[in-house]
Amino acid sequence: GAVVSQHPSWVICKSGTSVKIECRSLDFQATTMFWYRQFPKQSLMLMATSNEGSKATYEQGVEKDKFLINHASLTLSTLTVTSAHPEDSSFYICSAVDRAIPNQETQYFGPGTRLLVL
Amino acid sequence: GNSVTQMEGPVTLSEEAFLTINCTYTATGYPSLFWYVQYPGEGLQLLLKATKADDKGSNKGFEATYRKETTSFHLEKGSVQVSDSAVYFCALSPLTGGGNKLTFGTGTQLKVEL
Repeated sequence: GAVVSQHPSWVICKSGTSVKIECRSLDFQATTMFWYRQFPKQSLMLMATSNEGSKATYEQGVEKDKFLINHASLTLSTLTVTSAHPEDSSFYICSAVDRAIPNQETQYFGPGTRLLVL
Repeated sequence: GNSVTQMEGPVTLSEEAFLTINCTYTATGYPSLFWYVQYPGEGLQLLLKATKADDKGSNKGFEATYRKETTSFHLEKGSVQVSDSAVYFCALSPLTGGGNKLTFGTGTQLKVEL
């Protein structure tokens, strides 16, 4: 149980284009999902917290107009990197919390999406 | 603010050796503490957790004890296997309950050789 998927697993795009990454909780409902970014050999940096039916909360320094987050249902959150540039190349990871478990704090992570912007 | 400090890797061990990966934290109040593992090419998986002082989390032969007096949560395993080769992340959540934001350490790569 508690499986989170991401699509695509990797994507290469040209500079200036937009890329959408999907995060799905497959066997549970997630009121809250998180989006992280991981640079090579570095830790995960939280970008934003996504709550179903409301606006995402972005961490300091993360441009909300560049990284658009939509959490339209209890099993799906999307991250759109708008007008991507080479410096946006990174490994993007989502996680989700199972709403059925009271006071649940364990996050279940997706396998990540590797983005390369040329 | 909250922070997690892990020992730098990579850590290279022979199979059946004893493993310790140090983790210390800075946080107000009583955070929950976690160890996550990332196998090559995969996403993070929860390895173990502890939610209050003196709790011991354990899973797959790994253990870590929540030490509030030393603000530490060191990961240990008595006998590592090649299959344990992965990156290990220590993390904290500032409040119990509610799926709060995680603060991660930088990760420690473990390589286990035959």
